[in-house]
Amino acid sequence: QQQVRQSSQSLTVWEGETAILNCSYENSAFDYFPWYQQFPGEGPALLIAIRSVSDKKEDGRFTIFFNKREKNLSLHIKDSQPGDSATYFCAATSSGSWQLIFGSGTQLTVMP
Amino acid sequence: EAAVTQSPRNKVTVTGGNVTLSCRQTNSHNYMYWYRQDTGHGLRLIHYSYGAGNLQIGDVPDGYKATRTTQEDFFLLLELASPSQTSLYFCASSDPDISYEQYFGPGTRLTVL
Repeated sequence: QQQVRQSSQSLTVWEGETAILNCSYENSAFDYFPWYQQFPGEGPALLIAIRSVSDKKEDGRFTIFFNKREKNLSLHIKDSQPGDSATYFCAATSSGSWQLIFGSGTQLTVMP
Repeated sequence: EAAVTQSPRNKVTVTGGNVTLSCRQTNSHNYMYWYRQDTGHGLRLIHYSYGAGNLQIGDVPDGYKATRTTQEDFFLLLELASPSQTSLYFCASSDPDISYEQYFGPGTRLTVL
């Protein structure tokens, strides 16, 4: 049973469009949701994160929208660039836990 | 300077072979993790440790052993490798008392023929 689910294994958008990556979760105790970005040949790296007390977190072109009632969240990448092409992992954890539960990842391709 | 390093970066072995993957972190983190990454499954936790000499079982431990010799060094051992263990392996470190963020190494691609 997947506790963190990413609905799309892959997504292709054109340069300049907004890419939307979706994520849902099962465990109501989860209260911290990071997104990791992974380029080919590299390990994942933290991109942006949100706590469940917030419904939006913005960092430059990257925004997380969070819906606690529906248990889902999405990562919006505004003005997508070819350099944003990567795999994006949604993850979740709860206060006091050491473990991050990762989704299966969405491979984003931004076409020039 | 890379704070989490892994070696080797690529490894090919045969079924039944003995493989050791190495990881070193210079973050002074207490927690270290071994994950495997497979298409459609994302990152799955194999083993983790919260200090030298400590070892905890993760979500997919079958066929793997691990050992944490120092705070910096964490090893993953495959004593009888099988083709199902062909995967991309990542080591990570963190200090949950400070941050939830995990810092990943560059990965080791293992192929078991």
